[in-house]
Amino acid sequence: ELKVEQNPLFLSMQEGKNYTIYCNYSTTSDRLYWYRQDPGKSLESLFVLLSNGAVKQEGRLMASLDTKARLSTLHITAAVHDLSATYFCAVDVNTGNQFYFGTGTSLTVIP
Amino acid sequence: EPEVTQTPSHQVTQMGQEVILRCVPISNHLYFYWYRQILGQKVEFLVSFYNNEISEKSEIFDDQFSVERPDGSNFTLKIRSTKLEDSAMYFCASSAVAGGPRQFFGPGTRLTVL
Repeated sequence: ELKVEQNPLFLSMQEGKNYTIYCNYSTTSDRLYWYRQDPGKSLESLFVLLSNGAVKQEGRLMASLDTKARLSTLHITAAVHDLSATYFCAVDVNTGNQFYFGTGTSLTVIP
Repeated sequence: EPEVTQTPSHQVTQMGQEVILRCVPISNHLYFYWYRQILGQKVEFLVSFYNNEISEKSEIFDDQFSVERPDGSNFTLKIRSTKLEDSAMYFCASSAVAGGPRQFFGPGTRLTVL
């Protein structure tokens, strides 16, 4: 059974601090996505990583993909309160036709 | 910015009834998806659809589920005989190409089965 695991599941951090969310998956894939979900809202696409070694950055968030280790990271730099949300990774297992989501990481940034 | 729309926003139904959830994807997109999210849990892939046929479906998407693109704009998810465990938020998504560069998600339909 394919597994996509994120850790931590819950993260509470102070403004200004750095932290990394990890996404491990158990199948061969070189395509991985990160999404943000605010409470009661839909999903917002953050990053699309399409090859080994891919790194994408936007604002205080940076995502990377290591397909050999089957690991993606989402790094948060100098967190601000507006980043509080749940973050999901999702693995593409069939070239854009089938996706498995991680368990989600609920991030709370404390002022 | 173009957006995916879904109707209704909330649907309440009795167990055993049929429901149809509607989605209008972004107009020039070719790939369509349904996901569900049980309250407080992760997002689960249901089905992908391209060129008027299912590309892939998950083990959740059994014979009770069907999808259709009845015209050039709508994309529907039908659940034939709803069960209590079908209660969830259902999200539609679309993309211009398979898997990206970005999937656009609709606001979701909250389905409550009583």
